[in-house]
Amino acid sequence: SQQGEEDPQALSIQEGENATMNCSYKTSINNLQWYRQNSGRGLVHLILIRSNEREKHSGRLRVTLDTSKKSSSLLITASRAADTASYFCATDPGNTGKLIFGQGTTLQVKP
Amino acid sequence: GAVVSQHPSWVICKSGTSVKIECRSLDFQATTMFWYRQFPKQSLMLMATSNEGSKATYEQGVEKDKFLINHASLTLSTLTVTSAHPEDSSFYICSARDFRATYEQYFGPGTRLTVT
Repeated sequence: SQQGEEDPQALSIQEGENATMNCSYKTSINNLQWYRQNSGRGLVHLILIRSNEREKHSGRLRVTLDTSKKSSSLLITASRAADTASYFCATDPGNTGKLIFGQGTTLQVKP
Repeated sequence: GAVVSQHPSWVICKSGTSVKIECRSLDFQATTMFWYRQFPKQSLMLMATSNEGSKATYEQGVEKDKFLINHASLTLSTLTVTSAHPEDSSFYICSARDFRATYEQYFGPGTRLTVT
């Protein structure tokens, strides 16, 4: 069953602006992952944040994790048209590899 | 990074026929692979876990007799949709876990199945 909620469901911004997506989950976790999916394609792993981490950076990506609120956010800075995609958070509560995905945020970056 | 391939990338079949989808880990061994289904504009839902050398485990609500999974080697898992119906039309994505890595999974590019 889906345990992640993401908001917003859709986000449209201009190139150069920042995009923030939020994810909430229900059970305790060891880590939380963010993935990107271009239309009709597979998933690309973006970043993993462990439960004992509060913030992590990777290039233009910044992820935060608040385990007390069971929420995470993904910030994409200085967005580009190529960032247009759907973004999903995913958790693996049992560390079995069985990922539970959030509903996803569809991001459109207008040139 | 590790690469997972899927074949075919898209397939159209008639109702009542069976379709086989392959998932291969190209440069690593995967004792475990996962099959997900994604309906248009929706998220991914885990269908089953494919274990090399043993039976697959299915998530609640997924019919094991309809979605046959075989994981015959450390680099190949297959999903066969038997007696396909239009409601089986979906995007099927596999992932493979590199047993040398603790958490990371690698996803295939997906297979678009359309049942007419």
